[in-house]
Amino acid sequence: RKEVEQDPGPFNVPEGATVAFNCTYSNSASQSFFWYRQDCRKEPKLLMSVYSSGNEDGRFTAQLNRASQYISLLIRDSKLSDSATYLCVVRPYAGNNRKLIWGLGTSLAVNP
Amino acid sequence: GAVVSQHPSWVICKSGTSVKIECRSLDFQATTMFWYRQFPKQSLMLMATSNEGSKATYEQGVEKDKFLINHASLTLSTLTVTSAHPEDSSFYICSARAVAGGTYEQYFGPGTRLTVT
Repeated sequence: RKEVEQDPGPFNVPEGATVAFNCTYSNSASQSFFWYRQDCRKEPKLLMSVYSSGNEDGRFTAQLNRASQYISLLIRDSKLSDSATYLCVVRPYAGNNRKLIWGLGTSLAVNP
Repeated sequence: GAVVSQHPSWVICKSGTSVKIECRSLDFQATTMFWYRQFPKQSLMLMATSNEGSKATYEQGVEKDKFLINHASLTLSTLTVTSAHPEDSSFYICSARAVAGGTYEQYFGPGTRLTVT
């Protein structure tokens, strides 16, 4: 089983739609969770961290379910500019060895 | 946010030659830098973790003699791909870690696209 798994998509949605991505992780002791966005041929950029209580940033909502070991990202009122690959990232260890484990990403295409 | 630069942004080289990629943290000091590689339609794969003034820690399966990492200062790390082969063609991304308020933030460079012919 991969350490971080995501549905690669692609998700094709019309503008204004609500879309949700899920990601599962295998290490139950994982410490931190993030969603990154990566545009084609660009570096990944941090979209948001995911907190245990869930958190919202504008149109984006992230949720963490530790019992089921998954995190989710909800995008409301999607814009054309939201088209990108969304990467689920998990930091399984505390301390100095703070490696990030990356999912393969979920591709989103928002259509006019 | 903090800025990380990489140079060059893209490079084409012949098989057998060596290529050096620089990663700089422009407005902060980075005690740790990470080097990633990403093949098309693949996830980012951590190659090595570089701490200033000490030897890099390589991930399993990454040849340290082929991918030479030097982290000579708190703002500069270099990755040299030695004797490059076409299978080394990839997108190489560095990331620098800054400590802000006790939390570790990682900032990514724009990446270097390497094509070996």
